[in-house]
Amino acid sequence: DAEITQSPRHKITETGRQVTLACHQTWNHNNMFWYRQDLGHGLRLIHYSYGVQDTNKGEVSDGYSVSRSNTEDLPLTLESAASSQTSVYFCASSESITGRKLFGNGTRLTVT
Amino acid sequence: GENVEQHPSTLSVQEGDSAVIKCTYSDSASNYFPWYKQELGKRPQLIIDIRSNVGEKKDQRIAVTLNKTAKHFSLHITETQPEDSAVYFCAASMGNTPLVFGKGTRLSVIA
Repeated sequence: DAEITQSPRHKITETGRQVTLACHQTWNHNNMFWYRQDLGHGLRLIHYSYGVQDTNKGEVSDGYSVSRSNTEDLPLTLESAASSQTSVYFCASSESITGRKLFGNGTRLTVT
Repeated sequence: GENVEQHPSTLSVQEGDSAVIKCTYSDSASNYFPWYKQELGKRPQLIIDIRSNVGEKKDQRIAVTLNKTAKHFSLHITETQPEDSAVYFCAASMGNTPLVFGKGTRLSVIA
């Protein structure tokens, strides 16, 4: 069955380190998204991509970057992790830009 | 850009009663309005969605209504059950822009 997979499920890192969170989908969706979820803020958009080589900034993109070299993967990189980036990160994909989104299981990141 | 407000932030109902969650959006060009349910420790899952050319949509005990003039939409859950307890998120989007989510409503169904 097609799926969207995030790894790792849990990550603890130190302030200042570079961290990459993986997102892999087998739906063959062109559109992929990264959100962070924090208590009281809901789901906030970090970056998104409409296809290979396309990336766009979302509402809370500072300190994060993404790259899209193939259809299946959209890794999220924290260039220099900060305590404010402690959060649960969700990757999502959809067939169309405003279409139904499917979410991965999430990555809980703790920056100490 | 789009802004979505969701109310209430928490809601407790007795099992069997109805629950209503309301959202307002700011941009009249928005045309797609999904609702997601997120159980504790799990991923958000789409439960129902509606597009701007439709005023109401039902799926068993769940319904969504849309008032484009007032720019608000609501989720209605009838005959609530303990397994309906979760956090519910509304969202809105328009044209080629990604979804903007509300901050969520924590629904507790008391047996």
